Amino acid sequence: AQSVTQLDSQVPVFEEAPVELRCNYSSSVSVYLFWYVQYPNQGLQLLLKYLSGSTLVKGINGFEAEFNKSQTSFHLRKPSVHISDTAEYFCAVSGSGNAGNMLTFGGGTRLMVKP
Amino acid sequence: GAVVSQHPSRVICKSGTSVKIECRSLDFQATTMFWYRQFPKQSLMLMATSNEGSKATYEQGVEKDKFLINHASLTLSTLTVTSAHPEDSSFYICSARGGQGFQHFGPGTRLTVT
Repeated sequence: AQSVTQLDSQVPVFEEAPVELRCNYSSSVSVYLFWYVQYPNQGLQLLLKYLSGSTLVKGINGFEAEFNKSQTSFHLRKPSVHISDTAEYFCAVSGSGNAGNMLTFGGGTRLMVKP
Repeated sequence: GAVVSQHPSRVICKSGTSVKIECRSLDFQATTMFWYRQFPKQSLMLMATSNEGSKATYEQGVEKDKFLINHASLTLSTLTVTSAHPEDSSFYICSARGGQGFQHFGPGTRLTVT
């Protein structure tokens, strides 16, 4: 079984400031890790994913995340946020042998970018 | 590529009626589709896994007779909420598994039962 914990339900930040959204997971097997963004009343858009290889993963819209196996974390970062980044962000995990199945989502973090 | 659509985007229905939501993979074939439910300010909860040509697999606690899933083709899965009640009001999101095995999400359907 897998679980995902997003430690912050809301993160307020000023425009052009850096931001980190935290994600920790637990799993008894090797995992794939994902970050999704959800704008109001819309579906999920994939920001980035970690499958293997380099632990630093770059995604769309200037986001990146670092996989830390020892700390079982996959925190999402952006060096300078924009108002348009205001959205809900979900971290998710799946077993590495089954990437398309059984995505387990964290509770979500609402990023609120203020002018 | 890997576009998934849902129809309708919003639907309002009266209590006791049934509502059908469609999920289509527009530019790829998907033998497996997934249906999620999302309550306000909450995360996505998997309801069921839909496999083309076979019965859906429901998660624990999801009533299969209430949430009917049909995956009749490689590009279409439907979720029918039967005898809907106000507590069924929610945001329903589907996803389709693409060629590399990853899920691609639809834009969601907002169901309101009055």
